[in-house]
Amino acid sequence: DSGVTQTPKHLITATGQRVTLRCSPRSGDLSVYWYQQSLDQGLQFLIQYYNGEERAKGNILERFSAQQFPDLHSELNLSSLELGDSALYFCASSVVSQLTEAFFGQGTRLTVV
Amino acid sequence: ELKVEQNPLFLSMQEGKNYTIYCNYSTTSDRLYWYRQDPGKSLESLFVLLSNGAVKQEGRLMASLDTKARLSTLHITAAVHDLSATYFCAVAISNFGNEKLTFGTGTRLTIIP
Repeated sequence: DSGVTQTPKHLITATGQRVTLRCSPRSGDLSVYWYQQSLDQGLQFLIQYYNGEERAKGNILERFSAQQFPDLHSELNLSSLELGDSALYFCASSVVSQLTEAFFGQGTRLTVV
Repeated sequence: ELKVEQNPLFLSMQEGKNYTIYCNYSTTSDRLYWYRQDPGKSLESLFVLLSNGAVKQEGRLMASLDTKARLSTLHITAAVHDLSATYFCAVAISNFGNEKLTFGTGTRLTIIP
């Protein structure tokens, strides 16, 4: 158990809908990273937050947004969902903004039908 | 843009044999990570390689880093079935004090009894 908690574990939703994925980092970790894993794109970095502030952005679509709350948990919001958004979404956390070592959560498997 | 290439993509090997997975990357990096992923599961950190010439070993796995050649290897010695998994290398790039990981394509390793 990495100490990073993601909910829900599985999510099935229809195209056009909006979902929210939640991540609780390890105790004491200030940085949260979101990754998308799909069969065709592999593991793609989406976005990073550090202590509530956005720090780095990767291949995140405009339909997606994220935030980190004062208690350091983070949410990834996916809207106007398309079939191609079906993927495993991972959250990782680390102590500082620089990755000394990142610990990954179990992921949320999103299926868009 | 940083590119991280792994080869082979698929590897099927017999128990007891040795093999090497290669990870090439396109730009200078300070850190390289190796992760293991079991089907449907999260990513488990195996090694963090911090400098040129770094070598780390854990059980039957040994990882090395050559920053001049921009190459890391993951060597498997006397493979056993439990090592069947997908292995990812990931390269860390710093940008104004923040890092993001760029992952390779992964190598799906199957150990045959």
